[in-house]
Amino acid sequence: AQTVTQSQPEMSVQEAETVTLSCTYDTSESNYYLFWYKQPPSRQMILVIRQEAYKQQNATENRFSVNFQKAAKSFSLKISDSQLGDTAMYFCAFMKQLPSGNTPLVFGKGTRLSVIA
Amino acid sequence: DVKVTQSSRYLVKRTGEKVFLECVQDMDHENMFWYRQDPGLGLRLIYFSYDVKMKEKGDIPEGYSVSREKKERFSLILESASTNQTSMYLCASSMDSGWGEQFFGPGTRLTVL
Repeated sequence: AQTVTQSQPEMSVQEAETVTLSCTYDTSESNYYLFWYKQPPSRQMILVIRQEAYKQQNATENRFSVNFQKAAKSFSLKISDSQLGDTAMYFCAFMKQLPSGNTPLVFGKGTRLSVIA
Repeated sequence: DVKVTQSSRYLVKRTGEKVFLECVQDMDHENMFWYRQDPGLGLRLIYFSYDVKMKEKGDIPEGYSVSREKKERFSLILESASTNQTSMYLCASSMDSGWGEQFFGPGTRLTVL
């Protein structure tokens, strides 16, 4: 079974600074996707960024980027120029890809990020 | 935009009651999911469904059942609510192809007294 570990339950960062959230996972699969989801306080969970395992190039979405180290099974999220609106719970998630279709996500326990003015 | 809606944001029930949580998605997604979210435990999968009338157990199905009579609607049923089922319940949907990105509803915070 796959497992996802987020070792930082809580983090804080000053506005405009850069912060990195850690995620490691354990799998024997070769085809999979990795995701970072964001859950703002009292608001809906939304996708931040995603990465295909077979792609070596790290995904980037505006101020959000990942450092995907496949051999180390590491998938960290970097937030540059942090903004107050980045305050949220962040979840790392893994999805195994099968020929028959996609499978449910396996989530980490989350990291609560606070951006301080 | 994909929209996933849940019937209630907040719900208070008594021990032993039968509870229905409803989820509706408007994007013709094949897959639908029910999770519960508890502090320090993240999201845990209760049940999921790949198609109408199909259901699969997730990691913590005990005490729950589901129903999917129509493609757009996925219901979670607590047959006899207990206090340890007090939690935030999240519904999600996704396509069965491509990225499989899941779209989430706003959640239902259920309190069982």
